[in-house]
Amino acid sequence: DAGVIQSPRHEVTEMGQEVTLRCKPISGHNSLFWYRQTMMRGLELLIYFNNNVPIDDSGMPEDRFSAKMPNASFSTLKIQPSEPRDSAVYFCASSLRQFDTQYFGPGTRLTVL
Amino acid sequence: EDKVVQSPLSLVVHEGDTVTLNCSYEVTNFRSLLWYKQEKKAPTFLFMLTSSGIEKKSGRLSSILDKKELFSILNITATQTGDSAVYLCAVLNNAGNMLTFGGGTRLMVKP
Repeated sequence: DAGVIQSPRHEVTEMGQEVTLRCKPISGHNSLFWYRQTMMRGLELLIYFNNNVPIDDSGMPEDRFSAKMPNASFSTLKIQPSEPRDSAVYFCASSLRQFDTQYFGPGTRLTVL
Repeated sequence: EDKVVQSPLSLVVHEGDTVTLNCSYEVTNFRSLLWYKQEKKAPTFLFMLTSSGIEKKSGRLSSILDKKELFSILNITATQTGDSAVYLCAVLNNAGNMLTFGGGTRLMVKP
């Protein structure tokens, strides 16, 4: 059974470029979460969706970040324009229902030069 | 603001040792506490604890929650080199499914 799928696994880009990270949750899961992990700040929740609807985006750092979930099997996290301080590993996680255990994807390692 | 603190920050032991990792929390509207293991990739789920005093066990790993004193411990007995990882504690609250993570404990098990 496939877990959470993220792409790309690695992204290296230059400052000012647009970056789009993609996530496919586990089939049948109704909640999806985007996290960012850095050495300095650890693992932080950015935004989460329940039944494709964004519920809480208070963790999104600033207007350069946006996330969408057009259907139950796909979500994107976009950074425009990207900055070097956005360099981190971005994880997507999904859970069957709200409050259930969250299962993480392999992450996208983003480097902004 | 919800807060999760883990200790120690890092730990080096030898194979066969037993370790205890600590997690304390201050959370509004606590729902459950989760333990994850993170090696060089994504966190993998270990335990979810919701009730005080009930030990959860999986092989050599076990965990227990104390909702009165606001902490949890994760025990690993007869450690193996494959247990080397960062162990993350996270707390889930009722107000919007916010999962707050601690900083993690980095465990290194030497042969």
